[in-house]
Amino acid sequence: AQRVTQPEKLLSVFKGAPVELKCNYSYSGSPELFWYVQYSRQRLQLLLRHISRESIKGFTADLNKGETSFHLKKPFAQEEDSAMYYCALRTGGGNKLTFGTGTQLKVEL
Amino acid sequence: EPEVTQTPSHQVTQMGQEVILRCVPISNHLYFYWYRQILGQKVEFLVSFYNNEISEKSEIFDDQFSVERPDGSNFTLKIRSTKLEDSAMYFCASSDATGKNSPLHFGNGTRLTVT
Repeated sequence: AQRVTQPEKLLSVFKGAPVELKCNYSYSGSPELFWYVQYSRQRLQLLLRHISRESIKGFTADLNKGETSFHLKKPFAQEEDSAMYYCALRTGGGNKLTFGTGTQLKVEL
Repeated sequence: EPEVTQTPSHQVTQMGQEVILRCVPISNHLYFYWYRQILGQKVEFLVSFYNNEISEKSEIFDDQFSVERPDGSNFTLKIRSTKLEDSAMYFCASSDATGKNSPLHFGNGTRLTVT
């Protein structure tokens, strides 16, 4: 069965410091990975997906099939990055997503 | 930018009562979903819906749950006889197609509290 693991419930960094939010997955087929972000009192929003290989708000994530990881990175954290971040795995052709438990990122001044 | 809207934002109900959670997906979207998040736990898939029928459902989505698209705009989740463990945040989502180029757009959620 598929599974997504986000080992850190809370990650606290100082403004300007690098950020890495960890995500590992377990899936026997060809995975499609996403990062969703939820700012305080707002909806879940798609941040980025591995097939796009894009950088959104300075964040990037590379799918590493050997390590079954899809870590989210940003070189310099900003205060507005404080939010809940969810890694998600889509399996098959539908939109059934398996989410991780989320990591709360707190950027301190 | 168009958004998925959900009402109410918070629903309190007594155990055993029926509850209907409402969602208005983005107007040109064809696929609709319900997810839920119990406090402190992960977001979990409940059901997907396309062309007026369920396309996939999870083991959570038992006979107590049903979904309906009663008109051209609303998408509802009904829980027939609520249990304490149904207390959660329920998220509606929609997408314009399945597959790699169709991200999910989520609503703000309805917090259901069963007492």
